[in-house]
Amino acid sequence: AQSVTQLDSQVPVFEEAPVELRCNYSSSVSVYLFWYVQYPNQGLQLLLKYLSGSTLVKGINGFEAEFNKSQTSFHLRKPSVHISDTAEYFCAVSEKGSQGNLIFGKGTKLSVKP
Amino acid sequence: ETGVTQSPTHLIKTRGQQVTLRCSSQSGHNTVSWYQQALGQGPQFIFQYYREEENGRGNFPPRFSGLQFPNYSSELNVNALELDDSALYLCASSLGSGGPSSEQYFGPGTRLTVT
Repeated sequence: AQSVTQLDSQVPVFEEAPVELRCNYSSSVSVYLFWYVQYPNQGLQLLLKYLSGSTLVKGINGFEAEFNKSQTSFHLRKPSVHISDTAEYFCAVSEKGSQGNLIFGKGTKLSVKP
Repeated sequence: ETGVTQSPTHLIKTRGQQVTLRCSSQSGHNTVSWYQQALGQGPQFIFQYYREEENGRGNFPPRFSGLQFPNYSSELNVNALELDDSALYLCASSLGSGGPSSEQYFGPGTRLTVT
């Protein structure tokens, strides 16, 4: 069955340090990949998505992610984080041929400390 | 451009009661999806509506039902509420018939507490 695993439930990091949030997925068909961010008491906002083409995808707020088909991974990175990046981050996939329902991981809480 | 809006923001219900949650799509979006996000979990797909018809459903019982109106707004109805229905309910809209590559725009959610 299709699933998304976010390997870290919480990631504490100091301001201006680099960060990587890990995501692995399993699916029997090809997928599209997404990263969403959720700030406290808000809905989800799309950070970036991989549909096709270059495996390195750049998103908003300086985030980027790399699709690795052999590793079935889509890790999110930022070279230098800010306090304002403190939020929960969700990796999601949708399967090609589906009606577009997103399958989410359990989320990673990123805490940026001064 | 108006984003996705949901009402009410918070709701407290008693076990066994029924609840209706509402969603207004982003302007021009004709597909609406509903998700349930339990505490500490990622959102789970409930169902999707396109042109007023259910266009896909996740692993939720029939007491979860929905409607989409001609103006593309939508309702989520839950009957016979159970304690485990306590969650944040998210509505998302997208263009066209949805589809796996479509970007979904999420509302702020409705926090439902069942006591």
